Amino acid sequence: GEDVEQSLFLSVREGDSSVINCTYTDSSSTYLYWYKQEPGAGLQLLTYIFSNMDMKQDQRLTVLLNKKDKHLSLRIADTQTGDSAIYFCAESTNDYKLSFGAGTTVTVRA
Amino acid sequence: NAGVTQTPKFRVLKTGQSMTLLCAQDMNHEYMYWYRQDPGMGLRLIHYSVGEGTTAKGEVPDGYNVSRLKKQNFLLGLESAAPSQTSVYFCASSYSQGIYNEQFFGPGTRLTVL
Repeated sequence: GEDVEQSLFLSVREGDSSVINCTYTDSSSTYLYWYKQEPGAGLQLLTYIFSNMDMKQDQRLTVLLNKKDKHLSLRIADTQTGDSAIYFCAESTNDYKLSFGAGTTVTVRA
Repeated sequence: NAGVTQTPKFRVLKTGQSMTLLCAQDMNHEYMYWYRQDPGMGLRLIHYSVGEGTTAKGEVPDGYNVSRLKKQNFLLGLESAAPSQTSVYFCASSYSQGIYNEQFFGPGTRLTVL
C-alpha cells in the first residue's frame, strides 16, 4: 500500500532557501507531486516529477527525487512571505488515486 | 471558468442530523473525489468516481454516501452526522486517462458536528 510521510513544520527566514522532505513507500509510484495550500483555500498543484527523473527545476522551485531511497524533496529558493503555506507531497500509481502526506506547514519569518 | 466549486462553505450540524455537500466542476473532468482534511493527518480519500453513474470507496468511506448522477456534479451525503465527522471536506476533479493525475481542488467545506 501507499504511505507518504513528511515533517510537520518548517520555519525559515525570508530570503533563505526552504527544503521540504518527503518519503514514500510505493515503489510503483509513477508521478510525485507537490501541492500548496494557502490559509482557508484548497490545494493547488505546485509542481510534479515523473519517476524516471532525478531533478526538475521550475523558477524558484527545485524538486529532487531519489528513487532508490524513495525520497522526494522540494527546495524553494529566496523564500518570500507569500510562500507561507502548507505543502503536501503526493504520489500516484495506476488507480486514479493520489496518496497525500500529512503536509508541512512552512512559516516564513522576517 | 469557475473550476471546482463547493456548497456550502461552512455548516454546523447536531449529532444525528443529515446533510449533503455539493461539488460541481466545469472542466468536463471524468474523475471526481471527496477528501477530508484533519490536523496532522493530511487528506484522506472518502469516495471517488471515475465517471458519471459510478462511485467507489476510498480510504475512509464509513458514514458517508456519494452519488454522481451528472458528470459535472459529485454529492457527498452524511446520513447521521457524528462529532468524528467534524472536518474540512475537499472535492477534487481530474482529467486523468492515465497515470498522470493532476487534481483540481475546490475551496473546501468546513463542517462542525456538535
